[in-house]
Amino acid sequence: SQTIHQWPATLVQPVGSPLSLECTVEGTSNPNLYWYRQAAGRGLQLLFYSVGIGQISSEVPQNLSASRPQDRQFILSSKKLLLSDSGFYLCAWSVSRGSQETQYFGPGTRLLVL
Amino acid sequence: LAKTTQPISMDSYEGQEVNITCSHNNIATNDYITWYQQFPSQGPRFIIQGYKTKVTNEVASLFIPADRKSSTLSLPRVSLSDTAVYYCLVGALNYGGSQGNLIFGKGTKLSVKP
Repeated sequence: SQTIHQWPATLVQPVGSPLSLECTVEGTSNPNLYWYRQAAGRGLQLLFYSVGIGQISSEVPQNLSASRPQDRQFILSSKKLLLSDSGFYLCAWSVSRGSQETQYFGPGTRLLVL
Repeated sequence: LAKTTQPISMDSYEGQEVNITCSHNNIATNDYITWYQQFPSQGPRFIIQGYKTKVTNEVASLFIPADRKSSTLSLPRVSLSDTAVYYCLVGALNYGGSQGNLIFGKGTKLSVKP
């Protein structure tokens, strides 16, 4: 069966510090991978998605970046965090079946920027 | 991209059937309808997905009328543990892989009372 891991689970960082969140998927190959952010009381905002190694598409311009160094690894980074980067970060994976797609989410990372 | 409209919140009591309706007037021919459940501080969990008519699994039923401009998630005999936010999404893959077009709105906050 497929599993998705995210770490760390929680993180408190000062403004201006760097960020690296990691997501890995097990039990599947060549998945589509996604990074979402959810602010308190809000819906999910798609940040990045990737259909393959080294292929990253950005949905929202900001001070975050994503990389996919391996097939089942997706990394979210920032060089300098802003207060507005606080939120709940979710990684998701999916495998397409024709035009049908279902996304499966990881446990999330709660980031607080102070 | 198909936009969805759901009630912001709903209240119910244990043992009742709950129906949450989602409007998606601009749904495209290739779009599927997917529902997710999210508990606080957790990633969304896939509930059910359908294209037309009725889909049923061990958790819920999904009713989709012929024009597909709306859908209804039906939760039979809810319990306190069904208190969560429920998201309705419509979307499909573009040719060649995901274009990240599964858009999460704010969802419906369901509160189940004893």
